Amino acid sequence: GAVVSQHPSWVICKSGTSVKIECRSLDFQATTMFWYRQFPKQSLMLMATSNEGSKATYEQGVEKDKFLINHASLTLSTLTVTSAHPEDSSFYICSGEGQGRYNEQFFGPGTRLTVL
Amino acid sequence: AQKVTQAQTEISVVEKEDVTLDCVYETRDTTYYLFWYKQPPSGELVFLIRRNSFDEQNEISGRYSWNFQKSTSSFNFTITASQVVDSAVYFCALSGSTDSWGKFQFGAGTQVVVTP
Repeated sequence: GAVVSQHPSWVICKSGTSVKIECRSLDFQATTMFWYRQFPKQSLMLMATSNEGSKATYEQGVEKDKFLINHASLTLSTLTVTSAHPEDSSFYICSGEGQGRYNEQFFGPGTRLTVL
Repeated sequence: AQKVTQAQTEISVVEKEDVTLDCVYETRDTTYYLFWYKQPPSGELVFLIRRNSFDEQNEISGRYSWNFQKSTSSFNFTITASQVVDSAVYFCALSGSTDSWGKFQFGAGTQVVVTP
């Protein structure tokens, strides 16, 4: 299967700072990427959908000004958590959907964010 | 709206026992896809199976088997002769074809604990 990487794999930051998480499709072009959030012992919840070259679409209840998503190329999407607070501490997972490969998604390994 | 229900929060078995994980879904789409993922403690999702709504054939892959029944909207997963390495959280997921294009709706997950 195709490979999606995330960087960093874990990050600890102070409250009030911003954190950027990168999601890269290594061996395929991802026209669409999805960002999920998973709190401890809970399921994955879709946060937003990003399409290359256009604005991301956010799910209800997700603050777009707090979670900035940029999908500047077919292999890179970034999620920036702005002014992070302890309640933003979570496991963030991205997935990429290849061109012409509808519903064949590939998940990244996740990024664990801890906000102190 | 789409919904995936995994009623079993946790299942504990002794090694070599069989374990069946239940998954019930709801969708208005006539075309949809069902998935099972394994999430070990590392957090990285491991893809197990993808099934489209028009393919009701049951599938077996090694010790894993899946029973898809559209009549009951269920997509159950059985691990035969469980092993300690099977200990993980297992997620059932659904992806539709209309307003939920490409988006995954995950179930709550079932924690499987296999003891020696």
